Amino acid sequence: DIQMTQSPSSLSVSIGDRVTISCRASQGIKNDVSWHQLKPGKAPKRLIYAASSLQSGVPSRFSGSGFGTEFTLTISSLQPEDFATYYCLQHSSYPYTFGQGTKLEIK
Amino acid sequence: QVQLVESGGGVVQPGMSLRLSCAASGFRQHSYAMFWVRQAPGKGLEWLAAISYYGVNDRYADSVKGRFTISGDNSQNALFLQMNSLRPEDTGIYYCARGQSIAAGFDYWGQGTLVTVSS
Repeated sequence: DIQMTQSPSSLSVSIGDRVTISCRASQGIKNDVSWHQLKPGKAPKRLIYAASSLQSGVPSRFSGSGFGTEFTLTISSLQPEDFATYYCLQHSSYPYTFGQGTKLEIK
Repeated sequence: QVQLVESGGGVVQPGMSLRLSCAASGFRQHSYAMFWVRQAPGKGLEWLAAISYYGVNDRYADSVKGRFTISGDNSQNALFLQMNSLRPEDTGIYYCARGQSIAAGFDYWGQGTLVTVSS
């Protein structure tokens, strides 16, 4: 199975901060990575697909990068609605695997 | 507008069965790959099962293989997850999700339904 190691597990941040979350795959997976946002009681939302493509309707402050084994989600200027938990997902091969999640908390 | 609504969760005893449903709207379910994912309390996300468009292929996580079955019903435009021999570690929020293909990951998710396995 492909392991996705996500860091950090949590982050205390302020409005306007630049936030970077990383995922490392245990083997090369090209760009078969997406990033998803989870908020309690709401449907999870895909933000980024194919490592760097922005999902339609998602604000441009979200961006993704990477190829092979190293992937990054960046929020350029954190907004109040961005406090949530974020997960990377690899769909290069089965079983699909997620990173451990990164929870953004208010500083 | 794509919408996925899960139902069927509840409290069951270990060893019992439960069937989850996912009502799809805004698209034809059988034309897409569909997935089930869960989140145990205080834990991360775990992919459980996948079914290709028209139900040609299915895949399962080792943790549920032989106990869970994913299926779709074109007439109801719905996805199902039949869960047998439930264990306490199956407790969690169960989400359905849609994908462009069985190899393309998820693009839309439902809100989830809570399953609690406890005596």
